[in-house]
Amino acid sequence: LAKTTQPISMDSYEGQEVNITCSHNNIATNDYITWYQQFPSQGPRFIIQGYKTKVTNEVASLFIPADRKSSTLSLPRVSLSDTAVYYCPLSGNTPLVFGKGTRLSVIA
Amino acid sequence: DTEVTQTPKHLVMGMTNKKSLKCEQHMGHRAMYWYKQKAKKPPELMFVYSYEKLSINESVPSRFSPECPNSSLLNLHLHALQPEDSALYLCASSRKGAYSGNTIYFGEGSWLTVV
Repeated sequence: LAKTTQPISMDSYEGQEVNITCSHNNIATNDYITWYQQFPSQGPRFIIQGYKTKVTNEVASLFIPADRKSSTLSLPRVSLSDTAVYYCPLSGNTPLVFGKGTRLSVIA
Repeated sequence: DTEVTQTPKHLVMGMTNKKSLKCEQHMGHRAMYWYKQKAKKPPELMFVYSYEKLSINESVPSRFSPECPNSSLLNLHLHALQPEDSALYLCASSRKGAYSGNTIYFGEGSWLTVV
């Protein structure tokens, strides 16, 4: 049973910032939040991981509020190549369980 | 370097065949995983090996048989599969077990078609 909920799809224009939310109301104390990107016919690619507050790397930022019941992946200035499915599984006392993901479509 | 290598990339097999999928990582990771992914669905966990021992089997049918010969290799032996087993099979690894923040890295997958 997936422990996370995301919007099924999102559309964005090139050059815009995109924020994808993930709901995890029953997150456990040991759970970390991990985001993956997946292109068709390829394996999921690790984007970013966090436990609380804000994490930033060269690709994205991850915002986690104090109650940790949700998280937001922020992709700055998206391009056509960012069109993919984005997942936010939790990793804690059990292996990753993937929810249905968000299909992001970037439009020129 | 975060690389998990899977072979073959594509496999077509008959329902009476025996074949194997192979996975290799040289990152010193001690946990390895098999996931199955059907078209337009999320990956589903099948097996987890931790320190070369099977730690999780998600009630997978016995026609799928995993094997971990050493800490770098993971195989998935296939026998008497059904057409509905056609899917993308993903191998993954993590430094330790899949617990508390250990990042899991995936290979590119092996596309299996059962005819």
